[in-house]
Amino acid sequence: GENVEQHPSTLSVQEGDSAVIKCTYSDSASNYFPWYKQELGKRPQLIIDIRSNVGEKKDQRIAVTLNKTAKHFSLHITETQPEDSAVYFCAARGLNDKLIFGTGTRLQVFP
Amino acid sequence: DADVTQTPRNRITKTGKRIMLECSQTKGHDRMYWYRQDPGLGLRLIYYSFDVKDINKGEISDGYSVSRQAQAKFSLSLESAIPNQTALYFCATSAWTGKGSDTQYFGPGTRLTVL
Repeated sequence: GENVEQHPSTLSVQEGDSAVIKCTYSDSASNYFPWYKQELGKRPQLIIDIRSNVGEKKDQRIAVTLNKTAKHFSLHITETQPEDSAVYFCAARGLNDKLIFGTGTRLQVFP
Repeated sequence: DADVTQTPRNRITKTGKRIMLECSQTKGHDRMYWYRQDPGLGLRLIYYSFDVKDINKGEISDGYSVSRQAQAKFSLSLESAIPNQTALYFCATSAWTGKGSDTQYFGPGTRLTVL
């Protein structure tokens, strides 16, 4: 069945450093890849997304890259700040229009 | 997002009880979803509905049922709750764009504990 693997499960960085979270998907028909951020006790919220016809997308300090051949996509956060601390989820959407989520990465940014 | 609401926000119940979780949205979206979140397992899809007459099972539908009472309302029921259904439950909505439904907007979540 459809599957999305996400690594690492936890990530600790010093404030100002970069953070990278990687995901791999199994359904080659997947065409939309969102990233959600969930702060402690809050609901998941979309922070960036990318479609299959684009290789990279940036929004200020965050960027997402997609390698369709390898079925990989990654989230890059530069100049991390303490408020970036949260759980991040990747997801992939297949032809049946369902989102399959990764298991999440807990990012901690230490001042 | 205040446009997607869930009731109750917290619920403690006993094994064997019937429980209903409710979701309402004012976003005018046609698509609604129920997810379950467990530590280390991410968000898993229980049921989803693309319109009022459409109900589909997700990856973990056993032990759950749903009802789409109106475009704006989607309820999740546990007919006979068991302890391993203790989890955080999220409702979400999205809109069909013609190329697929993109951003999903989540409700605040319902924390359910089954004793």
